Amino acid sequence: DQQVKQNSPSLSVQEGRISILNCDYTNSMFDYFLWYKKYPAEGPTFLISISSIKDKNEDGRFTVFLNKSAKHLSLHIVPSQPGDSAVYFCAAGGGSNYKLTFGKGTLLTVNP
Amino acid sequence: DVKVTQSSRYLVKRTGEKVFLECVQDMDHENMFWYRQDPGLGLRLIYFSYDVKMKEKGDIPEGYSVSREKKERFSLILESASTNQTSMYLCASSFPGTRYGYTFGSGTRLTVV
Repeated sequence: DQQVKQNSPSLSVQEGRISILNCDYTNSMFDYFLWYKKYPAEGPTFLISISSIKDKNEDGRFTVFLNKSAKHLSLHIVPSQPGDSAVYFCAAGGGSNYKLTFGKGTLLTVNP
Repeated sequence: DVKVTQSSRYLVKRTGEKVFLECVQDMDHENMFWYRQDPGLGLRLIYFSYDVKMKEKGDIPEGYSVSREKKERFSLILESASTNQTSMYLCASSFPGTRYGYTFGSGTRLTVV
């Protein structure tokens, strides 16, 4: 039972355009969501997060949108840069659970 | 700069060997986690610990054990390495509560031959 789903294993965009990575969740107890970025042969690094009391959080080129009714969140990267090429993991947590639940990741490739 | 340090970046072991992967964090985090990452399968939780000497099985504990004798150190043990344990192993730590997120180590690429 996959509680956090990233349905696109890969995404390819041109440099300068917008990248949109999507994530769906099923557990209504989740109230905190995070995005991690991972380069090959390195550990994931925290990118941006959002609490369920918000519907948008922005940090520079990165914006996360949360639609609670649809149980859907998305990460927007504008403008995309070649250095953004990495695997992006969506993660969710909340309630009394002290573990994050991760999606399977989306490989983003930004072409020069 | 806060850190999660994994003892080896690359490791090659033979089938049947006992393998120890070490992880140390300097953030006084209560929670520590071991994941493996495989293509198409994402991050899969092997074991986690929410306190010294406490451990709980994750989603794929078979063939692994863990040890947490001190708060800062969490070891993953492959009792008898097999080729299907070839993977990237990631250690993470966090404060209690998921809104703090995890801090990950750089990973250990283990190859079992």
